[in-house]
Amino acid sequence: DAKTTQPTSMDCAEGRAANLPCNHSTISGNEYVYWYRQIHSQGPQYIIHGLKNNETNEMASLIITEDRKSSTLILPHATLRDTAVYYCIVRVYFGNEKLTFGTGTRLTIIP
Amino acid sequence: EPEVTQTPSHQVTQMGQEVILRCVPISNHLYFYWYRQILGQKVEFLVSFYNNEISEKSEIFDDQFSVERPDGSNFTLKIRSTKLEDSAMYFCASSDVRQTPAKNIQYFGAGTRLSVL
Repeated sequence: DAKTTQPTSMDCAEGRAANLPCNHSTISGNEYVYWYRQIHSQGPQYIIHGLKNNETNEMASLIITEDRKSSTLILPHATLRDTAVYYCIVRVYFGNEKLTFGTGTRLTIIP
Repeated sequence: EPEVTQTPSHQVTQMGQEVILRCVPISNHLYFYWYRQILGQKVEFLVSFYNNEISEKSEIFDDQFSVERPDGSNFTLKIRSTKLEDSAMYFCASSDVRQTPAKNIQYFGAGTRLSVL
């Protein structure tokens, strides 16, 4: 799996959009970008994934650059419950490929 | 919403004892996984399991570890002789590969905290 680089920590004011960047400059053509989060040592929670198009679901939006070397996870209206460690993971899409977690970004939502 | 269930939430054991961590994956899922997270460290892959056999295992998953799907609903991780360094959160995950490959999403349980004394 390609290596990802994320900032160690970020703060965001409650109610504002949280934008979490991720660099994955060595991503391969068959690798997707997945985002998970982990709230206070709970099990990792799936957020969103994408290949090359921007994606949106009820939790977040994912913006992937045209060259696919970086992406941004957007939480449109951050709440205190969004305080967590966010992991950007690139992974081939087929079969039962494991998830390789890095250290992620610790996002703190400030009241 | 379907979820992965893990029991117990906290297991305390003496060094050298055997422990079995239990997981009930989401009912229509076919792939099962165990991960662990030592306090303050990354989430690490241990093993994946499909069609009643191990698909992949990490270097951590040595002869002390084994996995089993004893019936149609449970998935277990056994540690034969626990060591102090086995103390960690253990997470079970499952995924449904009958979805399109692009939707091969792993869903995680809340974890079992294993404390080896």
